Amino acid sequence: QKEVEQNSGPLSVPEGAIASLNCTYSDRGSQSFFWYRQYSGKSPELIMSIYSNGDKEDGRFTAQLNKASQYVSLLIRDSQPSDSATYLCAVRNFGNEKLTFGTGTRLTIIP
Amino acid sequence: DAGVTQSPTHLIKTRGQQVTLRCSPKSGHDTVSWYQQALGQGPQFIFQYYEEEERQRGNFPDRFSGHQFPNYSSELNVNALLLGDSALYLCASSFRLSSYEQYFGPGTRLTVT
Repeated sequence: QKEVEQNSGPLSVPEGAIASLNCTYSDRGSQSFFWYRQYSGKSPELIMSIYSNGDKEDGRFTAQLNKASQYVSLLIRDSQPSDSATYLCAVRNFGNEKLTFGTGTRLTIIP
Repeated sequence: DAGVTQSPTHLIKTRGQQVTLRCSPKSGHDTVSWYQQALGQGPQFIFQYYEEEERQRGNFPDRFSGHQFPNYSSELNVNALLLGDSALYLCASSFRLSSYEQYFGPGTRLTVT
């Protein structure tokens, strides 16, 4: 079992709709959770961090964390073509400095 | 406010050669982590430097080594290059005593032929 799992996609969503990206993790000791956006040929850009159970909203982005079920999700409202990218889920475990990444979900917003 | 910078942008080396990649962290950050990202994969942790010491290391051979300088900038050295070392090398900076958010630089694309 991979430490961090994501559906590789591609996930296609119509412009203006809600895009939902999911991530599961295996280590119950995981403490910190991050979503990065990576455009083709570019480096990852941090868009959301979440540390407690529940929802965290920032503009059109909402991160949701459920530690009991060991999943974290990212919702993108009013999806725009500029949201087309690969979204990476990253997890930091207790006592660890490193981030462990999933393989990413490729999202395409269809105009 | 300068973000994370890395140099060079691209590099082509031959098998068996050695390479040095450089990173300057975001202003106010004191910790540098290095990651390797192969095509179609998520970044893989190589090691992290704080207070000029290697604090944690991922599953990479000793051919991968690093250094952090008093100004917090860092170098990644790779010896005896293999074809499989071809990847995007990412530097991420953070502030150790604050949040665990890591911010990536633009990366160095290394091609080994």
